[in-house]
Formats: sequence, C-alpha cells, structure tokens
Amino acid sequence: DAKTTQPNSMESNEEEPVHLPCNHSTISGTDYIHWYRQLPSQGPEYVIHGLTSNVNNRMASLAIAEDRKSSTLILHRATLRDAAVYYCILRDGNTGFQKLVFGTGTRLLVSP
Amino acid sequence: GAVVSQHPSWVICKSGTSVKIECRSLDFQATTMFWYRQFPKQSLMLMATSNEGSKATYEQGVEKDKFLINHASLTLSTLTVTSAHPEDSSFYICSARDTGFGDYGYTFGSGTRLTVV
Repeated sequence: DAKTTQPNSMESNEEEPVHLPCNHSTISGTDYIHWYRQLPSQGPEYVIHGLTSNVNNRMASLAIAEDRKSSTLILHRATLRDAAVYYCILRDGNTGFQKLVFGTGTRLLVSP
Repeated sequence: GAVVSQHPSWVICKSGTSVKIECRSLDFQATTMFWYRQFPKQSLMLMATSNEGSKATYEQGVEKDKFLINHASLTLSTLTVTSAHPEDSSFYICSARDTGFGDYGYTFGSGTRLTVV
C-alpha cells in the first residue's frame, strides 16, 4: 500500500481557514486520495476524496497537486466541532477489496 | 447517506468468555465489510476484510481463530472475539462501502468499546 505522511498535529483558531497537508510521493495512477476524520470515541467520518482534480463538498475542499504527490484538505472556517484526527489515505482503485489502511493522521486542535 | 450500525457500543466481559459484535448496513447492501481495531491514542489497524458468502481475509498477524468473522448476509457482518483476554480490550470499528451509487466514500460504524476484566 502506498504510504502517506502527515504532520502529527496542527492548531487553528475558530472561524479561520485550516490547510491540512498530506504527502504521498509513491502514489500510483490508480490511487484515490481519501480524507476521513475521527472525533474522540467515534468511528471515522468520511470527509472528501478525489483522484486528479480538486474537489469541493459541503464539508471541505481537496486540493491535489498537479503531480499528485501531495494534497491539502481545506476547512474554510474551522469550528470547535472540527477538532478531530484527520486521516489522509490512498485507496487503490484497481484492488478488488479496496481496503483502507490508516496512517497516524493529524490531530487538529481548534481554539475559540 | 449510507448508514452503518454497530452493536453493542460498549461491552464488558470476563476473561475467557466470547463476545460478538454486529455490524449492519442499514440502507444499502455491502458485499464487503472491514473490521478495525484501535488502541488508545493509536490509529486504526485493519484486522480483516469480510466477504458475504465466503471466508474473511485476515491481515498479517491477526489470529483468525481468535477473531471469527461471519458475513451472513449482504447487510450483516459479525466479529466474535473468542476466549477474550485483557489484552483484547480495544475499540473495534467496522466499515462498509455503498457501491450501488457510484464512487463514494466508506461509512464507518460508531465503534464498540470492549473491556475484558
């Protein structure tokens, strides 16, 4: 499985934008970039995913580098409820079972 | 959106007993489900891939005789921790993917906290 590298933690103030980086230099052409977040004592929650183009949804935006070796999850206005561990995961689109393998993630702290 | 229900949310059992955890896809069919384990302050570790109508595929280092997985139908997978011991105490999470309507993300259950005393 191709690996991702994320900072261990990041801090933000409420209502400010947050840019969470992820490096995936060994990404293959068929790997999708997935982002999930996990609040304490809960299962992970899907945030966004993409393949090559930038993606937007109601939760966040995903900016994918042109060479696809890195991506950035953008929370446009952080709220206290966004405090969570954010995981950047590569999913092989060609693999039959298409399992998700989690890395260590980035713990986002949001201050009022 | 797709919903995965996991039950129970927490369970305490005595050492040596077995515990069954259920994972249901409520509004979609899931031919494949995934089981994870998470220890405090650590990331999720994939244990096995559960396949409807066939044997589960276990990740390296996971004891298949200890963690029994049964994917009985397109909406139900169960994980049974047999002869549980205190070191099996952990947060167990299941996941499924609704492939019926295009390429969407994976949905996770709310997790089961197992404490073995």
